[in-house]
Amino acid sequence: EPEVTQTPSHQVTQMGQEVILRCVPISNHLYFYWYRQILGQKVEFLVSFYNNEISEKSEIFDDQFSVERPDGSNFTLKIRSTKLEDSAMYFCASRDGLRSPLHFGNGTRLTVT
Amino acid sequence: ELKVEQNPLFLSMQEGKNYTIYCNYSTTSDRLYWYRQDPGKSLESLFVLLSNGAVKQEGRLMASLDTKARLSTLHITAAVHDLSATYFCAGDPPYDKIIFGKGTRLHILP
Repeated sequence: EPEVTQTPSHQVTQMGQEVILRCVPISNHLYFYWYRQILGQKVEFLVSFYNNEISEKSEIFDDQFSVERPDGSNFTLKIRSTKLEDSAMYFCASRDGLRSPLHFGNGTRLTVT
Repeated sequence: ELKVEQNPLFLSMQEGKNYTIYCNYSTTSDRLYWYRQDPGKSLESLFVLLSNGAVKQEGRLMASLDTKARLSTLHITAAVHDLSATYFCAGDPPYDKIIFGKGTRLHILP
């Protein structure tokens, strides 16, 4: 069964550094998302992306965050200047239509020191 | 903005018992989803509920949706240890932003 893949599985970075989290959504999916989860708690929406532009974003998704689909297969989340509170599990998800469930990747655990 | 509330947030139950997790949402949600998450793992889609009165069943789990009451339920029948996990409901408002509840951590005792 096709799946969403995320790399790396774990990223450690120092405060103030830039990180890029990478995702390869399922190939025939059109809608892409980033969520984050802190310490196994609530799953928080960050951003949705369709047709090469952002559809919706949350208050968390401020100017430090950006998303890109650089080559038709990858979908990336960039955090320009990481803060301690950015430490979380970041999940990428995709779906083929707005009536379909999200398919999640295995996540990238980001640790900011 | 859509708010999704689950009740209870933690549930410890004996094997063989039945129980229900409740999910209330605050405004219009075009669809309602249920997901399962095992510790340290990703989220797995369980059910998609598309309309009022929808009922879906898979094994010992059954989900239902009442759009008038803005309520979805996940019913567990004769629980077994393998069902221990965190269960999330999520609402899908008429814009592209699925909102999750806080999750119900289910612990099934042998």
